Amino acid sequence: AQSVTQLGSHVSVSEGALVLLRCNYSSSVPPYLFWYVQYPNQGLQLLLKYTSAATLVKGINGFEAEFKKSETSFHLTKPSAHMSDAAEYFCAVILKVTDKLIFGTGTRLQVFP
Amino acid sequence: EAGVAQSPRYKIIEKRQSVAFWCNPISGHATLYWYQQILGQGPKLLIQFQNNGVVDDSQLPKDRFSAERLKGVDSTLKIQPAKLEDSAVYLCASSPHQASSGNTIYFGEGSWLTVV
Repeated sequence: AQSVTQLGSHVSVSEGALVLLRCNYSSSVPPYLFWYVQYPNQGLQLLLKYTSAATLVKGINGFEAEFKKSETSFHLTKPSAHMSDAAEYFCAVILKVTDKLIFGTGTRLQVFP
Repeated sequence: EAGVAQSPRYKIIEKRQSVAFWCNPISGHATLYWYQQILGQGPKLLIQFQNNGVVDDSQLPKDRFSAERLKGVDSTLKIQPAKLEDSAVYLCASSPHQASSGNTIYFGEGSWLTVV
């Protein structure tokens, strides 16, 4: 069963525009949620994580995400895109009963000048 | 603080040959993971160690893949014999304790395998 779903394998925005990357999870118990970024030919870098504290989580590079239990979502946003934000973004979930970090399929963000 | 170290970064082998990847986790991290990331897909967990014991290897193709973590520190992932579909990035990761504690999992830069 799919634990995390990322809507949109590719997202394109103009520099300075709002970035919105969507992530939904499937679990009756709120899990721990993560966003990772992967630049070309590099490993995964943690952007931010939700671990049952504040529902609005601020991360590095100006990104933030809001945990919404009613919508089972954890969408990633950034008010103003930079060219350097172009990368692959992965949403991931840890279901407390399984103790596994499960990744979504990823969203490739392109930023145009 | 040093990150997760992996080697080699890149490897090209012919099908049916063998290959081994090495990982050195962040010092003091009890949990170590190996993920496989096929181009265009999200990483998939292959095996998870807690110290030197295996916690989960349900998705490890045991007929050709093996992994060990002797002494609870470094780990080696081996593929023998390799198939074309094993072409992927192999990511090693570590965390201080088990994932269900909400700990951050830190990733290395990956070992890129091409099987021809």
